[in-house]
Amino acid sequence: ELKVEQNPLFLSMQEGKNYTIYCNYSTTSDRLYWYRQDPGKSLESLFVLLSNGAVKQEGRLMASLDTKARLSTLHITAAVHDLSATYFCAVDPSSNQGGSEKLVFGKGTKLTVNP
Amino acid sequence: EPEVTQTPSHQVTQMGQEVILRCVPISNHLYFYWYRQILGQKVEFLVSFYNNEISEKSEIFDDQFSVERPDGSNFTLKIRSTKLEDSAMYFCASSELAGGDTGELFFGEGSRLTVL
Repeated sequence: ELKVEQNPLFLSMQEGKNYTIYCNYSTTSDRLYWYRQDPGKSLESLFVLLSNGAVKQEGRLMASLDTKARLSTLHITAAVHDLSATYFCAVDPSSNQGGSEKLVFGKGTKLTVNP
Repeated sequence: EPEVTQTPSHQVTQMGQEVILRCVPISNHLYFYWYRQILGQKVEFLVSFYNNEISEKSEIFDDQFSVERPDGSNFTLKIRSTKLEDSAMYFCASSELAGGDTGELFFGEGSRLTVL
């Protein structure tokens, strides 16, 4: 059974600082997703990582995937208050091409960026 | 931008009552899903649906749950006899099936179910 672990689960940081959120998973997969969730809101897709070594960047966020280590990272550069949210990684255990069957989510990292 | 829409946004029901949650997936998507999130916890997969049938379901999706695509646009989740532990946010999602598909899921805003 696929297990997805994120750490830290809670992260409080000052504006302008850098930090990394880690996502480890237990079985082989080459599809990993990062989502953002604001309180009481839906899941917003941030990154889709589909191969070993994939790196994607959007603004102050950068995500990478190492399928051999079964590890993805979400790096935050020069954090701002607007990045405060809960960030989930999710892994697709299916090896099928064309559409995922189900995602296994981590518990989420609640990020608070203090002014 | 196309989006997944869900109704109702919040439903309060008595234990033992039937509830139907509705979703309109993105129009060219072919895979549909229900996930749920109990308050403060992680998001859990319930069921996936493709070609008018369930393609996979989790242990949570027991006999009290059912899904249906009654017409070309709606996708529904029915809970026959609600229990207190069914209280959660239920998210509908859809994904596109095509060559080179990323498998990316697009989630709706969620339906919050409160069982009293």
